[in-house]
Amino acid sequence: EIVMTQSPATLSVSPGERATLSCRASQSVSSNLAWYQQKPGQAPRLLIYGASTRATGIPARFSGSGSGTEFTLTISSLQSEDFAVYYCQQYNNWPPSLTFGGGTKVEIK
Amino acid sequence: QVQLQESGPGLVKPSETLSLTCTVSGGSISSYYWSWIRQPAGKGLEWIGRIYTSGSTNYNPSLKSRVTMSVDTSKNQFSLKLSSVTAADTAVYYCARDTVVHNFDYWGQGTLVTVSS
Repeated sequence: EIVMTQSPATLSVSPGERATLSCRASQSVSSNLAWYQQKPGQAPRLLIYGASTRATGIPARFSGSGSGTEFTLTISSLQSEDFAVYYCQQYNNWPPSLTFGGGTKVEIK
Repeated sequence: QVQLQESGPGLVKPSETLSLTCTVSGGSISSYYWSWIRQPAGKGLEWIGRIYTSGSTNYNPSLKSRVTMSVDTSKNQFSLKLSSVTAADTAVYYCARDTVVHNFDYWGQGTLVTVSS
């Protein structure tokens, strides 16, 4: 099973600042990586797929990069609604399974 | 706009079978994959498995021995059965549409299932 490791576990950022979240795969997943945002009491929302393609309706301040084993989600200027937990998910190792990272909580500094 | 809604018992006894149904509205269930994902309180996401509208399935190897999924295209529904549950299966269970590149673009709101006697 491919293990996805996200860092940091918690990121404290002031509104308007840039946030950089990392996701590392235990083996190459090519560009088959997605990012999700989850707010308390809500289902996750797809932000990025294919490592760098924004999903429908996702603001341009969200961007993804990377390939192989190292990936980054960047939020260029944090808005109040961006404070949430972010998960990466790989889908290269098919079969046997898809796996998620443990999440990064972006909190207000 | 596609919408998904989970339904089923919120409380299941240990050793029994958890059963959930997801109803899809605003679009056809046909020609898509559909997944179940769960999240224990305060923890991360775990993919359980997926089903295509033909009935073809893929399950998480860690749960495979206990999982059964089915689909009813006439009702635009798909279902999850998880047998021999323990407290470790207590979680919010989500259903989601699984795209061709194996990510999830539409999600249900989630339903909390508690395993307790």
